[in-house]
Order: sequence, then structure tokens, then C-alpha cells
Amino acid sequence: GAGVSQSPSNKVTEKGKDVELRCDPISGHTALYWYRQSLGQGLEFLIYFQGNSAPDKSGLPSDRFSAERTGGSVSTLTIQRTQQEDSAVYLCASSLADRAGNEKLFFGSGTQLSVL
Amino acid sequence: RKEVEQDPGPFNVPEGATVAFNCTYSNSASQSFFWYRQDCRKEPKLLMSVYSSGNEDGRFTAQLNRASQYISLLIRDSKLSDSATYLCVAMNRDDKIIFGKGTRLHILP
Repeated sequence: GAGVSQSPSNKVTEKGKDVELRCDPISGHTALYWYRQSLGQGLEFLIYFQGNSAPDKSGLPSDRFSAERTGGSVSTLTIQRTQQEDSAVYLCASSLADRAGNEKLFFGSGTQLSVL
Repeated sequence: RKEVEQDPGPFNVPEGATVAFNCTYSNSASQSFFWYRQDCRKEPKLLMSVYSSGNEDGRFTAQLNRASQYISLLIRDSKLSDSATYLCVAMNRDDKIIFGKGTRLHILP
């Protein structure tokens, strides 16, 4: 497909387990963003990538969270030793910068993470 | 002060009415502005960019006021299908993209 693809769409895990969330951006998009959204809340910025580099990791909630991007394409967000407060929808977006430099984001449908 | 602030609403508006809401941003160096729409349990989708001169797309008009550091969205002749949460974005080039928490809009039949 031509859109941003995220997998799995749903993940149920036990407290203390590690999880990996995957994002496959739109082909050719250089920037990739991760957000977290709890029910009824706004989008919480986690991290973004320009190519394979992450200029800003300030949004990661704790050192249990990490992300990487390889080949300027697929990204994985890893949460170690999951806690119940990690339960949320994790959204990935990639951006197409037009000639004016405007970053228009295209979102995947998200991964619903539930930590029991 | 939060980087991007919005009135969370909800705005309850009768069908056919005009509704407008604002979004303020704190970083005077912000260069790019957007409105996104998010339906319940769905991902956000780009509604429109906001240009310095203001821009219109059908029933939707977006405006930017740099002096007062806010952007606005106006919806004319509102439809039931306009019910959603509207998120604003103000960003610098090459900077992280921060969303406001959104304004909930309910169009009433």
C-alpha cells in the first residue's frame, strides 16, 4: 500500500515484558515521528528521525523506551519492562516536505498497546 | 506555557451554523502551521495548511495572526460529518512537530 503501515495493530502484553512496535513509512519520506495517545488525550511527542538520525529524543518518557530507524525506512519503537501506564495508542507518521519546507504528516493507523 | 494551546471544547453547534476556533502558539519563530482532523479512535489526518495570507478550502478557512501568535479555523455551513477533534500544529523547520491537544466539535442535527 501507499500509506504508513504499523504493526501490530493491537498488542496485549503482561507487565514486565518487552514489546516492539514497527512502522513502515511512505516510500521516500525522510522524516518519521512517533507519538503516543492515551484515551481521550492529545498526541504526546516521543521521538522523530531525519533519515536514520534522531535529533530529538526528549519526548521519550523513560529509559525503558528506545527507537531506531535503519536504512532510512522502517522504524521500531521498543518498550522494555512494560508498565500499565504504557497502555496507549502508539502512532507513527512520516512526512513529505514540500519545496517550502512544510512538513505535512501522514499517519499510520496506530498500535493499540494494552499492558495487563 | 504550553507550546500549542487549544480550547478543548466541546463545541456543540447546530448543523448549518458557522463555527470558529483558535489555537495559540508560544514560539515566535514558528514557521509552518497546520490543522489536522481526528475522528474518534482514528489517526489524525491533514485538513489544511495555514498560510500567512490566509487560505480557504471549500467551507473551511484558515488564518494566521503572527502578531498575536494564533491560528484560526472557520467552518461554514457545518455538516454532521464535520464532528471530530481538530488539532493544530505550529512548528519550526527541522524541528519536532508538536500538536495541540485538540478541540472537540459536535455538530448537532
